[in-house]
Amino acid sequence: QLQLQKSGPGLVKPSETLSLTCTVSGGSISSSSHYWGWVRQPPGKGLEWIGSIYNSENTYYNPSLESRVTISTDTSKNQFSLRLTSVTAADTAVYYCGKPKPDSTGYYGAFDIWGQGTMVTVSS
Amino acid sequence: EIVMTQSPATLSVSPGERATLSCGASQSVNSHLAWYQQKPGQAPRLLIYGASTRDTGIPARFSGSGSGTEFALTVSSLQPEDFAVYYCQQYNSWPWTFGQGTKVEIK
Repeated sequence: QLQLQKSGPGLVKPSETLSLTCTVSGGSISSSSHYWGWVRQPPGKGLEWIGSIYNSENTYYNPSLESRVTISTDTSKNQFSLRLTSVTAADTAVYYCGKPKPDSTGYYGAFDIWGQGTMVTVSS
Repeated sequence: EIVMTQSPATLSVSPGERATLSCGASQSVNSHLAWYQQKPGQAPRLLIYGASTRDTGIPARFSGSGSGTEFALTVSSLQPEDFAVYYCQQYNSWPWTFGQGTKVEIK
């Protein structure tokens, strides 16, 4: 059974870069037709999709974050990563990695597998 | 960007009663809509995708309906473990977007 394990620092200073990694176990990140993605949730607020990567090379980002975000995969480590530059207090949130699944029409987007959420605080 | 609007913000229901949550999209998302349940301190749990398909292991008391711009999640008989926050999400077009959530609380 596929599982996701997130890792990364819980505290990042303003203007610095937030880097998180999600390790995939129970399957290969480079299997065909696989999407992977990141979602965040500020304290007491709702869910925000950050971005997704498809087949390890096609990336899609939330326009509100696009200038600062990069999602990539490392097939040798079976991992995918999130990099968010120039962080501010507004980036303080619980960050989740996840795997969307396809529906009957072949559209991907519903996250059925989630990594554990970890609070990332932006503070000096 | 497609805006997802959920109503009501809070729904007070007694255990055993039926609950219906609504989700509207600012433009058509066809049937590319998912529903999640989230409890405090936990990751969201996928309940419904494709607007009406229950995910693996989801009890039959959860059902989804709708297409285009209007969707609903119905819980036929609320169990104590169903009191939580529910989110809808469209994945018809980029960027994928979530509704702001409906909190289902015990009446």
